[in-house]
Amino acid sequence: GDSVTQMEGPVTLSEEAFLTINCTYTATGYPSLFWYVQYPGEGLQLLLKATKADDKGSNKGFEATYRKETTSFHLEKGSVQVSDSAVYFCALTYSGGSNYKLTFGKGTLLTVNP
Amino acid sequence: DSGVTQTPKHLITATGQRVTLRCSPRSGDLSVYWYQQSLDQGLQFLIQYYNGEERAKGNILERFSAQQFPDLHSELNLSSLELGDSALYFCASSGLLAGVDNEQFFGPGTRLTVL
Repeated sequence: GDSVTQMEGPVTLSEEAFLTINCTYTATGYPSLFWYVQYPGEGLQLLLKATKADDKGSNKGFEATYRKETTSFHLEKGSVQVSDSAVYFCALTYSGGSNYKLTFGKGTLLTVNP
Repeated sequence: DSGVTQTPKHLITATGQRVTLRCSPRSGDLSVYWYQQSLDQGLQFLIQYYNGEERAKGNILERFSAQQFPDLHSELNLSSLELGDSALYFCASSGLLAGVDNEQFFGPGTRLTVL
């Protein structure tokens, strides 16, 4: 079956540091890939997505590139802020058919210190 | 605010009991999804409803059931509760049959504690 593996945290960085959160996936087909963010006490919000190989998703300074050859979708940000402190989830799903569920990684807690 | 509401926010109950979690999707959204988030299993898809009909099932226990009503709100019923059912339960909604371009909007979750 499909699965998503992401680096386990917690990750602690200083403000303005570079962030990478690794995500790899195993899929039977050609999924679309997502990063969701969960701020304390809130639900999940879509951060960015990529629908096919070599696509780059970006939002709020975060980027991730869909790498089919390495089955990866690593999240990066050049300069993190305290407000980026949250749990980040990598996820996949498919379009078409009835496989609309999101398959998530276990989440990575990011703490950014001033 | 995603527009998805869930009640209650917190629920504390005892083993063997039955509880009902409620979700109201965003206005106009026809699909509702339920997810369970626990420390050991992470975020797992439970079940999806579309316009009142069950559409997909994930890792949902037989002790759990759900339904979507004509006004599109959904309820997740958990019975014969066990300690391991303690988790955060999320509801999400999307406009049509969700595909890549139909983002799932998540509610704030219901935290269930079974003592």
